[in-house]
Amino acid sequence: AIQMTQSPSSLSASVGDRVTISCRASQDIRNDLSWYQQKPGKAPKILIYAASTLRSGVPSRFSGSGSGTDFTLTISSLQPEDFATYYCLQDYIYPFTFGPGTEVEIK
Amino acid sequence: EVQLVESGGGLVQPGGSLRLSCTASGFTFSNSWMTWVRQAPGKGLEWVANIRQDGGEIYYVDSVKGRFTISRDNAKNSLFLQMNSLRAGDTAVYYCASVNDYGRSEWFDPWGQGTLVTVSS
Repeated sequence: AIQMTQSPSSLSASVGDRVTISCRASQDIRNDLSWYQQKPGKAPKILIYAASTLRSGVPSRFSGSGSGTDFTLTISSLQPEDFATYYCLQDYIYPFTFGPGTEVEIK
Repeated sequence: EVQLVESGGGLVQPGGSLRLSCTASGFTFSNSWMTWVRQAPGKGLEWVANIRQDGGEIYYVDSVKGRFTISRDNAKNSLFLQMNSLRAGDTAVYYCASVNDYGRSEWFDPWGQGTLVTVSS
């Protein structure tokens, strides 16, 4: 199975900060990667699919990039509602696998 | 409004069985692949299973193969997960979601609110 890693596992940031989260696949997954945001006690929500396509209705401060094995989720200016845990997911091959998550906390 | 609602979770003893349901509304259920994803308490997300629109193609994570069965009833806009031989490690919130696709890319949207399964004696 493809292993997904994320870094950092957690970070502390302030409102207005630029935040970058990395996701790495154990093998080439082309651009078959999506990003999800999850707040405590809630279901995950899709942010980005196909590595860089912003889901309709998601604020433009979120962006994704990368292909192959290395991917990045960027929040250009962190807002109070962005404090959450973020997961990447590869859909290149079964079994689909999630990254372990990155928790974004308030500094 | 596009909505998925899970039900059927609860407390079950190790070795027992449980059947989860997920009812869809607000979109054409029969046109969508569907998925189950779980999340153990305080842990990350784990993909569990996918099923094609007609039920003719199914995939599972290795840890549930032979114990869990995903199925669907398009006439009732419903997705199911039959869970047998349950173990403590299956304790989790179980989410259903619709699988969207564009070209080769797939993503999960929307998600249900989740249903908690607790395996304990």
